[in-house]
Amino acid sequence: AQSVTQPDIHITVSEGASLELRCNYSYGATPYLFWYVQSPGQGLQLLLKYFSGDTLVQGIKGFEAEFKRSQSSFNLRKPSVHWSDAAEYFCAVAPYNNNDMRFGAGTRLTVKP
Amino acid sequence: KAGVTQTPRYLIKTRGQQVTLSCSPISGHRSVSWYQQTPGQGLQFLFEYFSETQRNKGNFPGRFSGRQFSNSRSEMNVSTLELGDSALYLCASSSSSGLHDTGYTFGSGTRLTVV
Repeated sequence: AQSVTQPDIHITVSEGASLELRCNYSYGATPYLFWYVQSPGQGLQLLLKYFSGDTLVQGIKGFEAEFKRSQSSFNLRKPSVHWSDAAEYFCAVAPYNNNDMRFGAGTRLTVKP
Repeated sequence: KAGVTQTPRYLIKTRGQQVTLSCSPISGHRSVSWYQQTPGQGLQFLFEYFSETQRNKGNFPGRFSGRQFSNSRSEMNVSTLELGDSALYLCASSSSSGLHDTGYTFGSGTRLTVV
């Protein structure tokens, strides 16, 4: 069965600084990979997804993620964080051609002024 | 295009009661999944329905059940509520093409409190 690990429970960065959120997955084949963001009391919003092709994926709100097969990782990055980026971020994995999506535990991002 | 709509937004129930939550997917989406979100367990997959059939199932007891109607709307039911069932229940829908097309679009959730 697929699984996702987000090693960082909580990260604090200063506004304007760069950000990298880590995600490692465990799955026999290359799965579908996703990053979602959740603001307090809200549902999840899709930031970006990877299925195949170019390993650097661009998403909304200036986020990007890089798929590294050798490291089973799919880390999320942003060059300059804004205060509005403070939220919880979830990495997710789903098998090829299957809607059974599983989530990591999430990383809570705090942005310092 | 309207998003995923979940009703009600908030619900308070007593232990032992049962509850039904409703989800209307994005128009044209035929896959609907349900997730339970708690501070301790995070986001846990309950089940997925596609064209009125349960296609995937998570690791929850039989007290948790669901169904999907011919218009793709879905309901989930929890019987004999326990305090531990207090959670945010999220519904998500995706297009028939699969997750590679749209990913899941989530509703805002139903906050269930069991007292």
